[in-house]
Amino acid sequence: NAGVTQTPKFQVLKTGQSMTLQCAQDMNHNSMYWYRQDPGMGLRLIYYSASEGTTDKGEVPNGYNVSRLNKREFSLRLESAAPSQTSVYFCASSEVGGTSREKLFFGSGTQLSVL
Amino acid sequence: GENVEQHPSTLSVQEGDSAVIKCTYSDSASNYFPWYKQELGKGPQLIIDIRSNVGEKKDQRIAVTLNKTAKHFSLHITETQPEDSAVYFCAAPSYNQGGKLIFGQGTELSVKP
Repeated sequence: NAGVTQTPKFQVLKTGQSMTLQCAQDMNHNSMYWYRQDPGMGLRLIYYSASEGTTDKGEVPNGYNVSRLNKREFSLRLESAAPSQTSVYFCASSEVGGTSREKLFFGSGTQLSVL
Repeated sequence: GENVEQHPSTLSVQEGDSAVIKCTYSDSASNYFPWYKQELGKGPQLIIDIRSNVGEKKDQRIAVTLNKTAKHFSLHITETQPEDSAVYFCAAPSYNQGGKLIFGQGTELSVKP
């Protein structure tokens, strides 16, 4: 099983450029999440989607937008990239959603550098 | 909102020794405490979790203990092996974020052969 698949794995952008990070899961999970990982700061939630058709802000949503395209796919868009958005981005999914007591399944990450 | 503090940030042990990583949380309503392991170049994976109605849970060489009064929980790895080398994250739910998990800062564990 593929699980959670993220594309691309690596990306370099110039300040002001836009891009979309793609995420797809094949486990029929209801909930999907986007996290960023920075040294010394752990994993911080950017946006999440508890179910198809809904999205909500997490801890650090500024500068990002998301789209839950269908049950499988959840994309993260940077409209005008800034150096502060240099990070490793992880997509995750969970089976039911609506509760914190669920196992999260993570993708392998996208390493993004904004110059 | 929930704040999760994790210590130490780095930990180096000899193969066969034990390793302990500690986390404290601020939200007394938190009732679920997972630990995730992240190997190099991969996403985090759940390795063990504990709910607030128990004080300890074991799974082979790993265990988690919870002290609700003091609001801290710990990961214990015994008989460490080189393949235990990874970054470990604790987490706790934030009820200001709709119950979503707040992660600690991470501990980089290095097991030397």
